[in-house]
Amino acid sequence: EIVMTQSPATLSVSPGEGVTLSCRASQTVKNDIAWYQQKPGQAPRLIIYRAYNRATDIPARFSGSGSGTEFALTISSLRSEDFALYYCQQFNSWPWAFGQGTRVDIK
Amino acid sequence: QLVESGGGVVRPGGSLRLSCAASGFTFKDFYMSWVRQPPGKGLEWVAGVNLNGDKRGYGDFVRGRFTVSRDNAKESLYLEMNSLTVEDTAVYYCATWPATSVAFWGQGTAVTVSS
Repeated sequence: EIVMTQSPATLSVSPGEGVTLSCRASQTVKNDIAWYQQKPGQAPRLIIYRAYNRATDIPARFSGSGSGTEFALTISSLRSEDFALYYCQQFNSWPWAFGQGTRVDIK
Repeated sequence: QLVESGGGVVRPGGSLRLSCAASGFTFKDFYMSWVRQPPGKGLEWVAGVNLNGDKRGYGDFVRGRFTVSRDNAKESLYLEMNSLTVEDTAVYYCATWPATSVAFWGQGTAVTVSS
């Protein structure tokens, strides 16, 4: 079973600043990783697929990077609507585990 | 879109069958998953099924209690859950696999296991 570890658990950031969220896989997942954004009371929304591809309608301030076991999600200039929980997920092999999430809070 | 149904309140040891109806996209072209979220906690992958339904995967905590299936003719996904425990209390989502530029998620169906 592949374990996904996200860091940090929480990031406190001011609007307009940039952030980078990290996700590590316990073994290689090639580039079979996705990032999701979730807001309270809502289903998750796909942000990045296959490590670095933006999903449909996702703004260019979101970018993904990495391969193998180390991945990152960068938000270049945070807007108010970006403050949320973010999860990574690997889909290279079953079970398609999620990380435990990183909360991006307003400082 | 995806619409889940079948959630509710069940006693420990009981069973439930969740359904997920798809529309607006070519269901048979997507691997499908069930994902759950216990109250106040993170996302947990429950089960997945390949395009024609002959390969399935499960989270370790399932331990043979759940069965995922799909019916491409009916554009539906199912999750049969047996031997439920209080730890299975969660909102259960169905979702398409995250390997393409679009991913669909349902609104979720709540399962509460309580005596």
